[in-house]
Amino acid sequence: DIQMTQSPASLSASLGETVTIECLASEDIYDILAWYQQKPGKSPQLLIYDASSLHTGVPSRFSGSGSGTQYSLKINSLQPEDFASYYCQNGLSAPLTFGSGTKLEIK
Amino acid sequence: QVQLKETGPDLVQLTQTLSITCTVSGFSLTTYNVHWVRQPPGKGLEWMGAMWNGGGTDYNSAFKSRLSISRDTSKSQVFLKMNSLQTDDTAKYFCARQGTEGTFDYWGQGVMVTVSS
Repeated sequence: DIQMTQSPASLSASLGETVTIECLASEDIYDILAWYQQKPGKSPQLLIYDASSLHTGVPSRFSGSGSGTQYSLKINSLQPEDFASYYCQNGLSAPLTFGSGTKLEIK
Repeated sequence: QVQLKETGPDLVQLTQTLSITCTVSGFSLTTYNVHWVRQPPGKGLEWMGAMWNGGGTDYNSAFKSRLSISRDTSKSQVFLKMNSLQTDDTAKYFCARQGTEGTFDYWGQGVMVTVSS
């Protein structure tokens, strides 16, 4: 199984700041990686697919990058609605494993 | 528009069987794959398995032979059935549509299931 190691587990930042979340796959996943945002009590929402493609309707302050085994999600100019949990996900092969999540909190 | 909705019990007894239905609209089960993902309270996401658009299935081996996924295309429904429930199966269960590659572009609101002794 492909393991997804996500860091940091939690992150405290202020409005307007830029933050980056990292995800390391245990083997090459050929950019088949997604990022999701989840707010308390809600279902996850797709932000990024294929490592760097922005899902429909997602603000351009979100961006994804990386290749091989190393990927990152960058959020520019944090807005109040961005404070949530974020998960990366291996989409290459089953089991479609998720990272353990990053909780982004307001400083 | 695309919608998925899970329906199932709030409470299941220890060692009993869980049955959840995912009813979809706005797309066809013969065109898109549908997956099941669960999330224990306060924890992360775990992929359980998939119903492929061609009718086949795939399962996370972590669930061994406890899990079964099926569908009724005439009713636009996908079913999850898992037996021998334990307390650590307490979780919110989601169904999700697969978009590009192995990613999930639409999710249901989830159903919270508690396993009680």
